[in-house]
Amino acid sequence: EAEVAQSPRYKITEKSQAVAFWCDPISGHATLYWYRQILGQGPELLVQFQDESVVDDSQLPKDRFSAERLKGVDSTLKIQPAELGDSAMYLCASSLGPGGIQETQYFGPGTRLLVL
Amino acid sequence: QKEVEQNSGPLSVPEGAIASLNCTYSDRGSQSFFWYRQYSGKSPELIMSIYSNGDKEDGRFTAQLNKASQYVSLLIRDSQPSDSATYLCAVRVDSSYKLIFGSGTRLLVRP
Repeated sequence: EAEVAQSPRYKITEKSQAVAFWCDPISGHATLYWYRQILGQGPELLVQFQDESVVDDSQLPKDRFSAERLKGVDSTLKIQPAELGDSAMYLCASSLGPGGIQETQYFGPGTRLLVL
Repeated sequence: QKEVEQNSGPLSVPEGAIASLNCTYSDRGSQSFFWYRQYSGKSPELIMSIYSNGDKEDGRFTAQLNKASQYVSLLIRDSQPSDSATYLCAVRVDSSYKLIFGSGTRLLVRP
């Protein structure tokens, strides 16, 4: 069964350092999402790509976060500099897109970030 | 006002009982509704999706949607200890295809 791949699975860093997360969506999925999930809360969308274009990055803290999907396949999310409040699970999801109401998102295993 | 509301729980039920999880949403234009299960430290896993008013059954799971009242629920029959997890309700705001998640309800199934 096809899955969304993410790496690393865990990352510990010190504040002010740079971190990067990688995501490879399910083959053929045109839409890719990055979410942040703080402990005890639901996932919150950071950025959504349709192929290589950003569709929604309204919740992305652009002063420190950046995301790219250069060839419309895999994607990288970067944080520079990391802050203590960035400690969270970073989830990547993909869907066939653009679809109708039955469009379904499938999540990768996530990257758990701890900023010290 | 949060767009998707869930009771955080924990909801504790004995093994074999029916667990009922509820979710309300604020956007009347929402048309797509999803239930995800999330074990501690893991990523969300899709359980059910529902798009029309009424019930949708899949094995031990039944999703119920009432658009007039703006709520969606998930029933788990014959609950098992392995069902113990956090259940996330997600609603698609169709103007943007964006999913809005609730904070989740933690379910504990007692052996």
